[in-house]
Amino acid sequence: EIVLTQSPATLSLSPGERATLSCRASQSVRTYLAWYQQKPGQAPRLLTYDASNRATGIPARFSGSGSGTDFTLTISSLEPEDFALYYCHQRSSWPPITFGQGTRLEIK
Amino acid sequence: EVQLVESGGGLVKPGGSLRLSCAASGFTFSTYSLNWVRQAPGKGPEWVAYISSGSTYTYYADSVKGRFTISRDDAKDSLYLQMNNLRVEDTAIYYCARDVNGDCYTCAFDLWGPGTMVTVSS
Repeated sequence: EIVLTQSPATLSLSPGERATLSCRASQSVRTYLAWYQQKPGQAPRLLTYDASNRATGIPARFSGSGSGTDFTLTISSLEPEDFALYYCHQRSSWPPITFGQGTRLEIK
Repeated sequence: EVQLVESGGGLVKPGGSLRLSCAASGFTFSTYSLNWVRQAPGKGPEWVAYISSGSTYTYYADSVKGRFTISRDDAKDSLYLQMNNLRVEDTAIYYCARDVNGDCYTCAFDLWGPGTMVTVSS
């Protein structure tokens, strides 16, 4: 099973700042890595897939990068609505499909 | 509108059964592979099961293998999850989720339903 480790667990930033979230895989997932955003009471929402492709309707301030075992989600300038939970997800070697444990992005 | 809507959740005793449904609309259901994903209270998402288009392939998480069965009815644009021998640790919100590029082995989940809550408790 591929384990995804996200860091940091919690990130405290202010609106307008740049956010950098990390996801490390226990073995190579090539570029089959996605990022999701989740707000309380809602289903996860796909942000980026195949490491760097933005999903339909996702603002340009969200960008994904990386390959192999190290991946990053960058939010270039935080908007108030961006404060939420973020999960990475791999679909390279499965079953099982696995998710990271999450990063909470909170307002400083 | 393109959407997925789950139903069938509820309270069930350990050892009991439930059948979840997921109704799709707004897209060509038969051409997509689909998944069930669950999320226990306060935890991250956990993938449960996958079914390819045409029901050719199904895969399960080890935690549910032999107890849960995923199926689909393309004539009704519906996905199902039959859950037997339920355990307390199966308590979660259950989501159906669509693969982003149709019938796909390496895809992310681009469309999710709002979820249905399953509570297993005596």
